[in-house]
Amino acid sequence: TQLLEQSPQFLSIQEGENLTVYCNSSSVFSSLQWYRQEPGEGPVLLVTVVTGGEVKKLKRLTFQFGDARKDSSLHITAAQPGDTGLYLCAGGVLGSNTGKLIFGQGTTLQVKP
Amino acid sequence: EAGVAQSPRYKIIEKRQSVAFWCNPISGHATLYWYQQILGQGPKLLIQFQNNGVVDDSQLPKDRFSAERLKGVDSTLKIQPAKLEDSAVYLCASSLTVRTEAFFGQGTRLTVV
Repeated sequence: TQLLEQSPQFLSIQEGENLTVYCNSSSVFSSLQWYRQEPGEGPVLLVTVVTGGEVKKLKRLTFQFGDARKDSSLHITAAQPGDTGLYLCAGGVLGSNTGKLIFGQGTTLQVKP
Repeated sequence: EAGVAQSPRYKIIEKRQSVAFWCNPISGHATLYWYQQILGQGPKLLIQFQNNGVVDDSQLPKDRFSAERLKGVDSTLKIQPAKLEDSAVYLCASSLTVRTEAFFGQGTRLTVV
């Protein structure tokens, strides 16, 4: 069974601080997606990485896929209160022809003004 | 463009009762997903449709859960009879194809007492 573990599970920081969220597995994934979910809403896709070692930047967010495609990280620079939410990573199951995703348990981020 | 619509938003039922959730995907999206998200966990895929056919229901508890997408558009998910451990948010998502971005609805929060 493929599992994705995220760390930390909870993170409370002050506005302006930097942070990194990790998503780890012992399994290889075809791709890795990061979502943000706000209370009472569904997850919203932030980025998809597909190549080992790939780095993508989205404004203050930097996403990296591990060389072996087993892990990923999300780094936020100068966090703002608007970044508050649940961050989920999801791995594309290798060999799946249905696009199946396995989600991590999420990291809850609170950014205090 | 209208997003994925789900109803109801909230539902409270007693154990052993039945409940049904409805989902209207984005127009033209062939792929429809139902996920279960238990508090503190990431979403878990229950069932995936491609048009009106099921492509993955490997994690659907078929003794109590059922889902249909009769005309390849709207979908309903039913639980009968409900158990306490079914308390969760039920998310519907849709995508153009299995390889493209999935868009999530706001979810239905089910509480079984």
